[in-house]
Amino acid sequence: AQTVTQSQPEMSVQEAETVTLSCTYDTSESDYYLFWYKQPPSRQMILVIRQEAYKQQNATENRFSVNFQKAAKSFSLKISDSQLGDAAMYFCAYSSQGGSEKLVFGKGTKLTVNP
Amino acid sequence: ETGVTQTPRHLVMGMTNKKSLKCEQHLGHNAMYWYKQSAKKPLELMFVYNFKEQTENNSVPSRFSPECPNSSHLFLHLHTLQPEDSALYLCASSQPGTSGNTGELFFGEGSRLTVL
Repeated sequence: AQTVTQSQPEMSVQEAETVTLSCTYDTSESDYYLFWYKQPPSRQMILVIRQEAYKQQNATENRFSVNFQKAAKSFSLKISDSQLGDAAMYFCAYSSQGGSEKLVFGKGTKLTVNP
Repeated sequence: ETGVTQTPRHLVMGMTNKKSLKCEQHLGHNAMYWYKQSAKKPLELMFVYNFKEQTENNSVPSRFSPECPNSSHLFLHLHTLQPEDSALYLCASSQPGTSGNTGELFFGEGSRLTVL
C-alpha cells in the first residue's frame, strides 16, 4: 500500500521569505500523481499544485513550486515570497494513475507566516 | 453556489442520537467521497461513490451509513456513535474517467462532529 510521510508537523516563515515543506512517499508504481493541498483555518481544502510522475519537469504555479525527485520518492513544496494568506495546513497526497479514488494523504504540515 | 457545500457545519450529538450529514456538489461531477479528518492523523477515506454506486467502503463501522441518491448529493447517516468518532468529516467530488483527469478532488468546508 502507498504511504505518504510529512516529517514536519509545523513550520514557520517570515513574510516575504521562502519556505520548503517536505514530503516523501512509498509506492511500487511507476505512474502516479502527487499533489499539495492547502487547508486554511475553517476553510475548504484546495489544490495548490500537482505533478505527474512521468514528467521530469517540476511543476510550478506562481509562487509555488515543487522539487520532485522520483528516484528518492521525494516531493517537496517551495513557497516563495510568503504571504500572510499562505498560513494553513498543507497536505501532500498521492494518487494512482487515472483516478482519485485512492488519494492517500500525509498527516499535514501547519505553516505559520510571521509578519 | 460554491462548488461543494456541506451541512451542518457543526454538530454535537449524544451517543444514542441519530443524525445526518449532507453534501451537495454543483460541479457536475460523477464521483463523491467522504473523508474523516482527525487531529494529527492523515485524512482517512471512508466511502466513494461513482455514478451513485458505492465503489469503496474503507472498512468503516456500520454506525456510519452513506447514501447517494444522485450524483449531486451525498449523505452520511450517523447512529450510536462513539466519542472517538468526533472529527471533521469532509465531502469531496471529482470527475473520474475523463480525458486528462489527474485526480484532483474538490472539497467542502467540512462538518465538525462532536460526540458526547
